[in-house]
Amino acid sequence: NAGVTQTPKFQVLKTGQSMTLQCAQDMNHNSMYWYRQDPGMGLRLIYYSASEGTTDKGEVPNGYNVSRLNKREFSLRLESAAPSQTSVYFCASSTGGGPDTQYFGPGTRLTVL
Amino acid sequence: QKEVEQNSGPLSVPEGAIASLNCTYSDRGSQSFFWYRQYSGKSPELIMFIYSNGDKEDGRFTAQLNKASQYVSLLIRDSQPSDSATYLCAVNRNDMRFGAGTRLTVKP
Repeated sequence: NAGVTQTPKFQVLKTGQSMTLQCAQDMNHNSMYWYRQDPGMGLRLIYYSASEGTTDKGEVPNGYNVSRLNKREFSLRLESAAPSQTSVYFCASSTGGGPDTQYFGPGTRLTVL
Repeated sequence: QKEVEQNSGPLSVPEGAIASLNCTYSDRGSQSFFWYRQYSGKSPELIMFIYSNGDKEDGRFTAQLNKASQYVSLLIRDSQPSDSATYLCAVNRNDMRFGAGTRLTVKP
């Protein structure tokens, strides 16, 4: 089992460019999540999908959109990247039951110039 | 006030000692509590979770929860240099909220 995979691992964008971060899980989990991690801030939830066909905003959704393509895949899109979006992005998945243990992908390190 | 607070450290302990990591949270309705370990440049990995008051032991790790005091802690016994990492406390009610983490260094 690969667990949670993310692509790409690294990305450099110019301000105003767009891109999509991809995430896939092979654990048959219902719920999927996108976080960003900044120094001194911890992990902050951007969006989550409790089940296939649903998405909800988290703590810091502005500037992002998501798509739950199917049960396995959950993508994060930056429509017009800004330097404030420079961060490490983690995707996670969980069964959706309690306690809701989340399993994380390897992360994408994004730099916006 | 942050929803989940941790001392950022660094916390330094000698090899073989007990490392004590602490976390406080503000939402009294929080239902489950998690400790993750994150090595530099890597993703968080679950150590253990707890949802009832008291202690829960798993090998060298013990999680302690006191809901009345809104406090959760992680004890690492017989600390090893391989335990050197950042430890993230996470609290779940409707969604997961993470603390900023405590950096632990175990010196040989």
